[in-house]
Amino acid sequence: KAGVTQTPRYLIKTRGQQVTLSCSPISGHRSVSWYQQTPGQGLQFLFEYFSETQRNKGNFPGRFSGRQFSNSRSEMNVSTLELGDSALYLCASSLERVTGELFFGEGSRLTVL
Amino acid sequence: AQSVSQHNHHVILSEAASLELGCNYSYGGTVNLFWYVQYPGQHLQLLLKYFSGDPLVKGIKGFEAEFIKSKFSFNLRKPSVQWSDTAEYFCAVNAGGSYIPTFGRGTSLIVHP
Repeated sequence: KAGVTQTPRYLIKTRGQQVTLSCSPISGHRSVSWYQQTPGQGLQFLFEYFSETQRNKGNFPGRFSGRQFSNSRSEMNVSTLELGDSALYLCASSLERVTGELFFGEGSRLTVL
Repeated sequence: AQSVSQHNHHVILSEAASLELGCNYSYGGTVNLFWYVQYPGQHLQLLLKYFSGDPLVKGIKGFEAEFIKSKFSFNLRKPSVQWSDTAEYFCAVNAGGSYIPTFGRGTSLIVHP
């Protein structure tokens, strides 16, 4: 069974630009969550989607947005990039929204110059 | 809001040494508890989980964790570490009906051969 796939794996942007990251969950998984990982801060929850609806949102500014498609694939977008947005963005999927057990992708490493 | 504390940010051990990583959380009700591991260059993966029942949980690669409800703790242990255990370890908790786990900041473990 294929795991969670994230694209692109690496990208470099400059301040003010916007970026779109993609995530394909494990087949059959309907919940997709996004996390920002930075050294010393661990994993910070961004948002969670289930059945194409955002169900939970973390404490991030409105520049961070996302969506989920009918096939459960998800995208997240960051507009007006800032230097502090440099991070590893992780996508995780889960079969049901019950236990909190997550299956992670390898992440998209964003560098903002 | 629930919070998760991992007291050891960096741990350095020699092979065959015993390991204990601390994890405390701040929610008083029913919790689901997890330890995830991130090996260098790899995705986060589940090491072990606790939902209910026996508070001593065994995971992959010889790891175990003990849930002590009175201490709000879920410490990770391994009696004899190997060089291949070098990784970052994250404790996560979801509680109060939320299926969005809150992660600790992580502990970086380096095992010297």
